[in-house]
Amino acid sequence: GDSVTQMEGPVTLSEEAFLTINCTYTATGYPSLFWYVQYPGEGLQLLLKATKADDKGSNKGFEATYRKETTSFHLEKGSVQVSDSAVYFCALGRAGGSYIPTFGRGTSLIVHP
Amino acid sequence: SQTIHQWPATLVQPVGSPLSLECTVEGTSNPNLYWYRQAAGRGLQLLFYSVGIGQISSEVPQNLSASRPQDRQFILSSKKLLLSDSGFYLCAWKFPGVVEAFFGQGTRLTVV
Repeated sequence: GDSVTQMEGPVTLSEEAFLTINCTYTATGYPSLFWYVQYPGEGLQLLLKATKADDKGSNKGFEATYRKETTSFHLEKGSVQVSDSAVYFCALGRAGGSYIPTFGRGTSLIVHP
Repeated sequence: SQTIHQWPATLVQPVGSPLSLECTVEGTSNPNLYWYRQAAGRGLQLLFYSVGIGQISSEVPQNLSASRPQDRQFILSSKKLLLSDSGFYLCAWKFPGVVEAFFGQGTRLTVV
């Protein structure tokens, strides 16, 4: 079955540092890939998505590229802010009626001033 | 546009008491609905999902149950709460023809 593996956290950075959170997946065919963000005490918000190989999803300065050859979807941001502190989930989805979205375990990001 | 409402936001319940958490989706019909639990510092655990009224699939045998009495309403229940039921409960929906899922704001349940 489908699975998603993302790097263990927490990731601790200083403000304006470069961010990479690694995500790899195992799946057949061509699923869609997502990054969700969860701020403290809140639900998950869709941050960005990519629906086919070589697509780049981007939002709020974050970006991730769907790499079929390496089965990866790493999240990057050039300059993080304190307000980016949150838990980030990599996920895999399909449009099938009974498909259950598959999530990684989440990576906590802590950004210090 | 579609919105998802989940309540209450916070709940403190004694051990052995009943539980009812409600989730309602607006602006769509026949969504897939999901209940997840997130323990402190942990990932998401799928508890139940539903593809239609009265259709419930359970992923983890436990002290909880779910019901879908109406197309856009999903309820999570327990007859007697355990300490281990504490956690952050998230409702999510997904339209069958769309790839991404959308989440409610969550309910923080503390069993004391």
